[in-house]
Amino acid sequence: DIQMTQSPSSLSASVGDRVTITCRASQSISAYLNWYQQKPGKAPKLLIYDASSLQSGVPSRFSGSGSGTDFTLTITSLQPEDFATYYCQQSDSTPFTFGQGTKVEIK
Amino acid sequence: QVQLVESGGGVVQPGRSLRLSCEASGFTFSSYSLHWVRQAPGEGLEWAAVISYDGSDTYYADSVKGRFTISRDNSKNTLYLQMNSLRAEDTAVYYCARDPSRLAVAGHFDYWGQGTLVTVSS
Repeated sequence: DIQMTQSPSSLSASVGDRVTITCRASQSISAYLNWYQQKPGKAPKLLIYDASSLQSGVPSRFSGSGSGTDFTLTITSLQPEDFATYYCQQSDSTPFTFGQGTKVEIK
Repeated sequence: QVQLVESGGGVVQPGRSLRLSCEASGFTFSSYSLHWVRQAPGEGLEWAAVISYDGSDTYYADSVKGRFTISRDNSKNTLYLQMNSLRAEDTAVYYCARDPSRLAVAGHFDYWGQGTLVTVSS
């Protein structure tokens, strides 16, 4: 199975900050990497698919990059509604695995 | 608009069975693969199973293989998860999720249901 490791596990940031979350795969997954946002008590929401494609309706302050084993999710100018937990997920092969999550909290 | 509504969760004793359902609307159900993803209380996300658009292919996580069966009824726009030999570690919110690729499996999830909680406890 492909292991996904996110860092950091949590971070504190202020509104307006630039935030970067990294995700590393245990083997190359090409660009088959996706990012989700989850708020407490809610279902996850797809933000980025195939490493860098913005899902329809997602604000352009979210962006993704990377290929192979190393990926990043960047949020430029963090907004109050962006405080949530973020997960990466590989779709290269089954079982489709997730990172452990990164909780973005208010500083 | 796309809607996925899960049902069937509840409290069940270890070793017993439960069947979850996910009723879909707002898209051509028979053209899309569907997944079950679960989340234990306070924990991260775990993919459990996928079924192809026509039901001909299914794949499972090792943690549920041999105990859970994913199926679908395209005439009823409904996805199912039959869960047998339940264990305490199966306690989780179970989400159904749509794969965005028509007639294939992309392996990510563009629409999710609200989830249904399964608690395995004596």
